[in-house]
Amino acid sequence: SQTIHQWPATLVQPVGSPLSLECTVEGTSNPNLYWYRQAAGRGLQLLFYSVGIGQISSEVPQNLSASRPQDRQFILSSKKLLLSDSGFYLCAWNHGMSYLYTEAFFGQGTRLTVV
Amino acid sequence: EDKVVQSPLSLVVHEGDTVTLNCSYEVTNFRSLLWYKQEKKAPTFLFMLTSSGIEKKSGRLSSILDKKELFSILNITATQTGDSAVYLCAVEGHTISNFGNEKLTFGTGTRLTIIP
Repeated sequence: SQTIHQWPATLVQPVGSPLSLECTVEGTSNPNLYWYRQAAGRGLQLLFYSVGIGQISSEVPQNLSASRPQDRQFILSSKKLLLSDSGFYLCAWNHGMSYLYTEAFFGQGTRLTVV
Repeated sequence: EDKVVQSPLSLVVHEGDTVTLNCSYEVTNFRSLLWYKQEKKAPTFLFMLTSSGIEKKSGRLSSILDKKELFSILNITATQTGDSAVYLCAVEGHTISNFGNEKLTFGTGTRLTIIP
């Protein structure tokens, strides 16, 4: 069965420090991978999505970047965190080959607090 | 730009009541609409709807899609305290790009609170 792992679960970082959140998927190959952010009072905002190694699409201009060094690994990074980067970050995957499989499966999320 | 609007933003009802949650959307080349339940962390899947007028049902939960009027409703009957959660609506639109064409746009969610 497929599983998705996301870590760390919580993170407190000072302003200006770097960030690296990691997400890995097991039990499937060539998944679509997504990073979402859920800020207080807002819905899930799509930040990045990837349909293959090295292929990243960004949805909103921001202080963050994403990379996909391996098929089932998706990394969210920042060189210098801002206070506004605080939020709940979710990684997700789904199958990209057929619209019948558009249900997305989510990791447990990372609560990031920038202080 | 794809858009998903959910209403109400929050809802407080007593246990046993029936609730209806709404989701309207504007999306390029609609493919499917999905409902998720988010309790503490990760959203969990409830329904996927692709055709108008066909009700999907799972226990006390049901959902239906109207592709002409561009909305969906999620009904929960005989609510229980375990139904308290944020309910998210997401829509998949088919877009042609160099990087593939399947991504979900989420609404802000409806926070449902069930009072015992």
